[in-house]
Amino acid sequence: SYVLTQAPSVSVAPGQTARITCGGNNIGTKSVHWYQQRPGQAPVVVVRDDTDRPSGIPERFSGSNSGNTATLTISGVEAGDEAEYFCQVWDSSSDHPGVFGGGTKLIVL
Amino acid sequence: QVRLQESGPGLVKPSQTLSLTCAVSGGSISSGDFSWTWIRQAPGKGLEWIGYIYYGGVTYYNPSLKSRLTISIDTPRNQFSLNLSSVTAADTAVYFCARALVGQWYFDFWGRGALVTVSS
Repeated sequence: SYVLTQAPSVSVAPGQTARITCGGNNIGTKSVHWYQQRPGQAPVVVVRDDTDRPSGIPERFSGSNSGNTATLTISGVEAGDEAEYFCQVWDSSSDHPGVFGGGTKLIVL
Repeated sequence: QVRLQESGPGLVKPSQTLSLTCAVSGGSISSGDFSWTWIRQAPGKGLEWIGYIYYGGVTYYNPSLKSRLTISIDTPRNQFSLNLSSVTAADTAVYFCARALVGQWYFDFWGRGALVTVSS
């Protein structure tokens, strides 16, 4: 089955830019979705289809996807952005189509 | 606003069957635009896709769980269910139900999650 790789954690100071990456074989050919999960809560989609931000999600959240890496960028990081972030794809050619990355903990210093 | 709510026992004995139901409100489970999905998260771990059911009863399961798994839909009650048999401690997790848009396949609405512990 398709594998998505994420770094366990990323640390950034408030006001700086955080980049959270998601690696996968030719992931640029797939649609990548990003979720934010705060402790004890359900995940919330913050970027869908590589770059699209759902209503209610701040413009500080953006996404890109090319080659073997998709990236979630959070500009002007705030303390409230501290959370776990998961990438997700749907691999329709696989018998295990629903795939999540292992998650990246964003630590706001 | 669509809402999903999981319900079921919080404690299941090893070798028994884990059963959960997801009640959907604010939208019809009969819509062909959506699939209805179960996802779980073991303590301190990442998200694992379990499987989905689509209106009409079409199902798709995680191959690693397929032999133990049944997902069903109850359209009159607007809910869907998960049954996982022969559970072990490795099945201890928070179980989420979620909705995915067919074709886009991201999860736009989630339940709050239900912790199920497998222990004697």
